[in-house]
Amino acid sequence: ELKVEQNPLFLSMQEGKNYTIYCNYSTTSDRLYWYRQDPGKSLESLFVLLSNGAVKQEGRLMASLDTKARLSTLHITAAVHDLSATYFCAGGSYSGAGSYQLTFGKGTKLSVIP
Amino acid sequence: GAVVSQHPSRVICKSGTSVKIECRSLDFQATTMFWYRQFPKQSLMLMATSNEGSKATYEQGVEKDKFLINHASLTLSTLTVTSAHPEDSSFYICSARRLAGVGDTQYFGPGTRLTVL
Repeated sequence: ELKVEQNPLFLSMQEGKNYTIYCNYSTTSDRLYWYRQDPGKSLESLFVLLSNGAVKQEGRLMASLDTKARLSTLHITAAVHDLSATYFCAGGSYSGAGSYQLTFGKGTKLSVIP
Repeated sequence: GAVVSQHPSRVICKSGTSVKIECRSLDFQATTMFWYRQFPKQSLMLMATSNEGSKATYEQGVEKDKFLINHASLTLSTLTVTSAHPEDSSFYICSARRLAGVGDTQYFGPGTRLTVL
């Protein structure tokens, strides 16, 4: 059974600073996903990481995947207030019944303060 | 990008009534849809996997007789919460799996906030 752990769970950072959110997973995962969720809203897909060494960047966010370490990171560069949200990582795997499903981490609530 | 809709977005009902939530993939066909539940300030918990034309697969601890799932077409899945009780109050989110080239991803609906009085 795939387990996904994120840290930190809460992150308060100043505008302009850099920080990294970590996502560890317990067993082989087919793919690693990052999502953003704003309060009261659903999830917005940020990145899908498919293979070892994959790196994807969109604006101030950059995600990477190390399958050997079973670790994905979401790096925030020069944070701005608009990035305040909860970020989830999720691992994809096949269940015993053969269906493909996502297992989510607990989420990291990011607050960017002036 | 792919769009998934949910209806209703918000529902308040009395204890003991049943509530149906619809999930539609608007611009792609989804052979597989998923239903999640999210309690306040918590992560998403998968409730069930819905495959078009077959019975849904429920996660451990989810009562299949209470949470009825029907995946009638490649663009529509419904979740019916039967005899709802206050502890069923939650944010219900569906997602639809889209296969596209290398890799696939799940697109999430906007969610339905259920409040049972």
